Amino acid sequence: SQQGEEDPQALSIQEGENATMNCSYKTSINNLQWYRQNSGRGLVHLILIRSNEREKHSGRLRVTLDTSKKSSSLLITASRAADTASYFCATDADSNYQLIWGAGTKLIIKP
Amino acid sequence: DVKVTQSSRYLVKRTGEKVFLECVQDMDHENMFWYRQDPGLGLRLIYFSYDVKMKEKGDIPEGYSVSREKKERFSLILESASTNQTSMYLCVTTGQQETQYFGPGTRLLVL
Repeated sequence: SQQGEEDPQALSIQEGENATMNCSYKTSINNLQWYRQNSGRGLVHLILIRSNEREKHSGRLRVTLDTSKKSSSLLITASRAADTASYFCATDADSNYQLIWGAGTKLIIKP
Repeated sequence: DVKVTQSSRYLVKRTGEKVFLECVQDMDHENMFWYRQDPGLGLRLIYFSYDVKMKEKGDIPEGYSVSREKKERFSLILESASTNQTSMYLCVTTGQQETQYFGPGTRLLVL
């Protein structure tokens, strides 16, 4: 069943701008992950943030987590054409290592 | 390096055919999952397995079956393919409550 919801569904920005995507979920979680999927390719793991963390950085990526609002945001700074992809958040809400996925945000970076 | 492989990247089948999608992982992981991904719907879980010869239904098992005879191999079977099973199929494995590892996906077209 779908728990995560990404917002917006689609985002188009100019190269060099920052891109922000949001994810909301419904139940308590152990951690939240962000993935990228390029067109026609498999999913690539970007970053994992645990429920006791508020912010995490990885290169040009910055993820925040607000457990009181059950939401997370993914910020990509200084976007590049290669960042064009769909971005998914996924949460684990039980102990069976099974992730629950949102429908994704389609990000287009215009050169 | 973690490796999850799927038997085909692209597959075209006719309605009524029996279809086998194979997934092999080299990480000695117990947990393996089959998802399908459709535009605007995100990932939906079809079946999963926590051990050899063990299987459990996911959210949308109808029209599918699975086989896990060996730890490294998890097969998804479409008993009688239908056009609504045209989709991208993703195999995933995970060994701990952390990142899941994805295969490259199989894009199946049922005519």
